[in-house]
Amino acid sequence: AQKVTQAQTEISVVEKEDVTLDCVYETRDTTYYLFWYKQPPSGELVFLIRRNSFDEQNEISGRYSWNFQKSTSSFNFTITASQVVDSAVYFCVLDGGYNKLIFGAGTRLAVHP
Amino acid sequence: EPEVTQTPSHQVTQMGQEVILRCVPISNHLYFYWYRQILGQKVEFLVSFYNNEISEKSEIFDDQFSVERPDGSNFTLKIRSTKLEDSAMYFCASDRLAGGPTGELFFGEGSRLTVL
Repeated sequence: AQKVTQAQTEISVVEKEDVTLDCVYETRDTTYYLFWYKQPPSGELVFLIRRNSFDEQNEISGRYSWNFQKSTSSFNFTITASQVVDSAVYFCVLDGGYNKLIFGAGTRLAVHP
Repeated sequence: EPEVTQTPSHQVTQMGQEVILRCVPISNHLYFYWYRQILGQKVEFLVSFYNNEISEKSEIFDDQFSVERPDGSNFTLKIRSTKLEDSAMYFCASDRLAGGPTGELFFGEGSRLTVL
């Protein structure tokens, strides 16, 4: 079965705190893609990152970083020095094949001033 | 920046009525998708479309649903006879020009469907 679990339903932090969003996935595929998407209050879905299962290097993009660990089937997302504009729902996503994306339930992040 | 546009942004309909949701994907993209999100729940795949035919569809995408790309720019989702449980936000998405889908989907802002 293919599944994405985001155990944290909601996280609340104060601005400038670091926050990590957890993601655990299940798949029988040997090759797969993982993604993070952001859904701000306006409702659209915004692509953040794609990671190939062959590439376990961690990635950093500005204040965002991603930790992919195949051994534990995890793909965690860290926001450093959070800002109010980071407030959104964040989805961890598994490609179930041919862009049949399997979304986690999402983690709602609230960053307070 | 190119974007996916969807209309209407919100539609209210009576149960049993037909609804058509419209999308204009990014020009020259080849892969098109519909996803939906019931309020407060996860985003779910409905259907993918490539080369003028359905590539994949989920169990949700039953005979009441159909998709069409009638004129080379619009991509529509039709629900033939709406049910209360069809109330959701419907997202259209497209993926790139060539070489296979990338997963870097560009999503529209969604069409909220309310079935009464």
